[in-house]
Amino acid sequence: DQQVKQNSPSLSVQEGRISILNCDYTNSMFDYFLWYKKYPAEGPTFLISISSIKDKNEDGRFTVFLNKSAKHLSLHIVPSQPGDSAVYFCAASAGAKAAGNKLTFGGGTRVLVKP
Amino acid sequence: EAGVTQSPTHLIKTRGQQATLRCSPISGHTSVYWYQQALGLGLQFLLWYDEGEERNRGNFPPRFSGRQFPNYSSELNVNALELEDSALYLCASSSGQSYGQPQHFGDGTRLSIL
Repeated sequence: DQQVKQNSPSLSVQEGRISILNCDYTNSMFDYFLWYKKYPAEGPTFLISISSIKDKNEDGRFTVFLNKSAKHLSLHIVPSQPGDSAVYFCAASAGAKAAGNKLTFGGGTRVLVKP
Repeated sequence: EAGVTQSPTHLIKTRGQQATLRCSPISGHTSVYWYQQALGLGLQFLLWYDEGEERNRGNFPPRFSGRQFPNYSSELNVNALELEDSALYLCASSSGQSYGQPQHFGDGTRLSIL
């Protein structure tokens, strides 16, 4: 069963506009959520995370929103830049020591930012 | 600061052989994780090592095993290789010291089984 789902396989956005990536999860034990970016032939790069005690976390152009009641999180990238073109993965983990636990990944969303 | 390093970059084996993949974590990180990204299956958790001990294991057969050395580097061993073991194997590390530390990934080893 897919506990973490990214229902949009791809997203195309104009440079300078907002990119919104969505992620849904089913496991209510998840308490730590992360977003990763992946370029071809490279490993995933950590972008931003949020714990379940918060509903928003911001780091520069990246903001993650968490809606626990809906079991939904989203990543906003503002403004989008051509270098943001990559595959984005949502991931989640469960447990008090969340860093020391397995990550469950979504299937990824491919983002294309057009100049 | 050096990131997570993995070797080799590519590995070609035949069915029934054994493969050994290596990972060096970020300096100061004590936890090492292994993930498999097979075609069409996404990233799947394999193993977690911390302070030299196996702490958690994903839904993989026992022929997938590994170890963590005193310097926190790690090996993943895959015995009796099967065609479906062809995949990108990613290693990640994190600091196990406090809550909410993200995992940082290497660039992976691509294992091809002929």
